[in-house]
Amino acid sequence: NAGVTQTPKFQVLKTGQSMTLQCAQDMNHEYMSWYRQDPGMGLRLIHYSVGAGITDQGEVPNGYNVSRSTTEDFPLRLLSAAPSQTSVYFCASSYGPAAAYEQYFGPGTRLTVT
Amino acid sequence: AQTVTQSQPEMSVQEAETVTLSCTYDTSENNYYLFWYKQPPSRQMILVIRQEAYKQQNATENRFSVNFQKAAKSFSLKISDSQLGDTAMYFCAFMNHHTNTGNQFYFGTGTSLTVIP
Repeated sequence: NAGVTQTPKFQVLKTGQSMTLQCAQDMNHEYMSWYRQDPGMGLRLIHYSVGAGITDQGEVPNGYNVSRSTTEDFPLRLLSAAPSQTSVYFCASSYGPAAAYEQYFGPGTRLTVT
Repeated sequence: AQTVTQSQPEMSVQEAETVTLSCTYDTSENNYYLFWYKQPPSRQMILVIRQEAYKQQNATENRFSVNFQKAAKSFSLKISDSQLGDTAMYFCAFMNHHTNTGNQFYFGTGTSLTVIP
């Protein structure tokens, strides 16, 4: 198993550009989540999904869209990048709610918006 | 609102010694989960240990154990026989029991641990 994979590893965007961060898992996990990590802080939840076709907002959803058309993939779209979105983004998956099941994290994508 | 406080930004320990990382939290919930995550320089987030609030027994995982004091809202991590590979940032995290909040963690600001050879 590859586990949770994220692409790209690094990305630089100009203000106003859009892009999609890719996340895929091959463990048949129902739950998938996107987090951001800013310097000196822990993770904050952006969006999450409890299964294909079902998504919901987390703590910091503004400026981001998600969709879940398959169990394996959970892309995160930045609609119009802003410098405040400079961060490291982590995708995670688990069999069920993270409270009860271990979350598996991807390696992260470091995004810089200039 | 839930808050998690880690009051030790940096700590160091000699290899093979024991170190304790502190964490306190504030919540009005009765059922919840607490976690310690490790983030080495590779940035990968790795679950170290997990504690369910309704369980009185402290969780242990090999060299890692916690001291969970629910009344004091304290959740410290003890690392025994420290190894060089333990060098990392350690995050304490809280999660509500209610699954309708999704995977909403509340994280502390982290403690950077260095194991000295």
